[in-house]
Amino acid sequence: DAKTTQPPSMDCAEGRAANLPCNHSTISGNEYVYWYRQIHSQGPQYIIHGLKNNETNEMASLIITEDRKSSTLILPHATLRDTAVYYCIVSATMEYGNKLVFGAGTILRVKS
Amino acid sequence: EAQVTQNPRYLITVTGKKLTVTCSQNMNHEYMSWYRQDPGLGLRQIYYSMNVEVTDKGDVPEGYKVSRKEKRNFPLILESPSPNQTSLYFCASSLKMGVVKTQYFGPGTRLLVL
Repeated sequence: DAKTTQPPSMDCAEGRAANLPCNHSTISGNEYVYWYRQIHSQGPQYIIHGLKNNETNEMASLIITEDRKSSTLILPHATLRDTAVYYCIVSATMEYGNKLVFGAGTILRVKS
Repeated sequence: EAQVTQNPRYLITVTGKKLTVTCSQNMNHEYMSWYRQDPGLGLRQIYYSMNVEVTDKGDVPEGYKVSRKEKRNFPLILESPSPNQTSLYFCASSLKMGVVKTQYFGPGTRLLVL
């Protein structure tokens, strides 16, 4: 079973910030939060990850609550090309890599 | 350019006719894996490999075989395909992001078994 809960869908206006929530109340101390997205049957694309601090990269920001039971992915200026399914995944990192368990994700529709 | 390639990208076959889907990565990654994606079931891991000659079952290995004779290649073999293996298949290899390693996915192979 997926360890995360996400809303099934969200809409966002083009140019506005998209805030995608994720609940992971049973997260363990050694588990990271990862975000991936999948654009129309393409291969899932890595976006960002974090452990307990907020993170930012060229694609997005990740805000993790202090108790680590939830997080929010922020796309600061959504474009039509950001329309995709967004997956929030919690996983322990290992020496060779990690196992990703994908849930249903959130369908983000960016509208003009 | 760093990439994971899969071939073929689309394949239609008939029940029982053996097929192989190739996966290759040019990033010298040790870890590689195969997933399948089905409507309503999400992505599920089939097999993974931590290094050459080291493979292990994922969550849905039945009906599939893999091999890892060289680091760059990780083919998925369907010895006797059945219609319930009609799916979208993704290969992935490990991706180092800071202190963690996560996964980098290929473009996918859409398989239809008649």
